[in-house]
Amino acid sequence: GAVVSQHPSRVICKSGTSVKIECRSLDFQATTMFWYRQFPKKSLMLMATSNEGSKATYEQGVEKDKFLINHASLTLSTLTVTSAHPEDSSFYICSARRSSRNIQYFGAGTRLSVL
Amino acid sequence: GQQLNQSPQSMFIQEGEDVSMNCTSSSIFNTWLWYKQDPGEGPVLLIALYKAGELTSNGRLTAQFGITRKDSFLNISASIPSDVGIYFCAGLGMLQGGSEKLVFGKGMKLTVNP
Repeated sequence: GAVVSQHPSRVICKSGTSVKIECRSLDFQATTMFWYRQFPKKSLMLMATSNEGSKATYEQGVEKDKFLINHASLTLSTLTVTSAHPEDSSFYICSARRSSRNIQYFGAGTRLSVL
Repeated sequence: GQQLNQSPQSMFIQEGEDVSMNCTSSSIFNTWLWYKQDPGEGPVLLIALYKAGELTSNGRLTAQFGITRKDSFLNISASIPSDVGIYFCAGLGMLQGGSEKLVFGKGMKLTVNP
């Protein structure tokens, strides 16, 4: 069964609104979670690394004020797309690292469509 | 960003055939992971490799961690229609700057004809 739960699976919103995506590790504690963005027929692009209890580390070119990340507990990280615009429409995927086995497990992804 | 060289990019095979794919890198990785992604879903872990030279099987899947730690291959034997999907290799290692991140290949799209 899934070890990482991501919610919602699909969001359709109006331009200018904010959207929050949740990522939970179900049976292990994850001090580190990751947020990816995937364009059609492309590989996963890392957006940011979410660290429990500290600020997220963003990849070059990713706006931290646009994509707010909060990792308030060892099992939950959230990504908020603020003031979403059509160009933010994409497939967002989170993952959690299981430190004991040095493995990353992925959520099922969130399809964001901004009208 | 940094990527692994994954090949082939796509394959069309008949049900029952075997298929192989590989990934190479100019960098050394400590862990190699193979994932499968179905349309509209997140990647699902297939096999994890931790030691150079390690050969690991998971059902009809077999993967090996190259001795140089710069490559890995995945074999699927006796393919079935549900093997259809995109297969990604991923390497975990220390990148420039001291951060440890998962680096992905571009993926291989597998089509299995019944």
